Amino acid sequence: KQEVTQIPAALSVPEGENLVLNCSFTDSAIYNLQWFRQDPGKGLTSLLLIQSSQREQTSGRLNASLDKSSGRSTLYIAASQPGDSATYLCAVRGNFGNEKLTFGTGTRLTIIP
Amino acid sequence: KAGVTQTPRYLIKTRGQQVTLSCSPISGHRSVSWYQQTPGQGLQFLFEYFSETQRNKGNFPGRFSGRQFSNSRSEMNVSTLELGDSALYLCASSLEAPAGGPETQYFGPGTRLLVL
Repeated sequence: KQEVTQIPAALSVPEGENLVLNCSFTDSAIYNLQWFRQDPGKGLTSLLLIQSSQREQTSGRLNASLDKSSGRSTLYIAASQPGDSATYLCAVRGNFGNEKLTFGTGTRLTIIP
Repeated sequence: KAGVTQTPRYLIKTRGQQVTLSCSPISGHRSVSWYQQTPGQGLQFLFEYFSETQRNKGNFPGRFSGRQFSNSRSEMNVSTLELGDSALYLCASSLEAPAGGPETQYFGPGTRLLVL
């Protein structure tokens, strides 16, 4: 059974700093890994998707990496802004026949102006 | 292009009642998945539908059911509501089955259900 863990559960950093969010998963037989952000009371917004054959993906100030063999992914946010404050969730999708998304517990990020 | 829409946005029910939630995927998307989000359990997968067929199912009791229509719109039903069913129910759509290539799921705003 796939288990996805995100540490820390909460993180506060001053505006302008670079930061890294961590995600680990127990079963390396994944199809892809996706990072989402969720604002309070809202749905999820997809940030980056990494296929199992890829090592990283970049979008603007965001960079996500994937090390499938060690069961780890990181989300790097450069030059953080108050608007980055949200809960960040990673989710892994299993291979064909088990395509459901398994979500991590999330990291609540607060950027301090 | 309109995003994923869910109705209603908020709902209050009492124990024992049943409820139906609706999800309209992004135009052209054929896969719809449902998730339950609670503070204690986080986001948990309920089921996924593709072309009107249930493809995957999570570990939820039979009180939770769903269906998908020919226009890809989906509904989920919860019968005999329990207090623990209070949650944010999220629907997500994607273009096609994962085997077809990289897949990004697009989420709706959710339906917040409160069971009293």
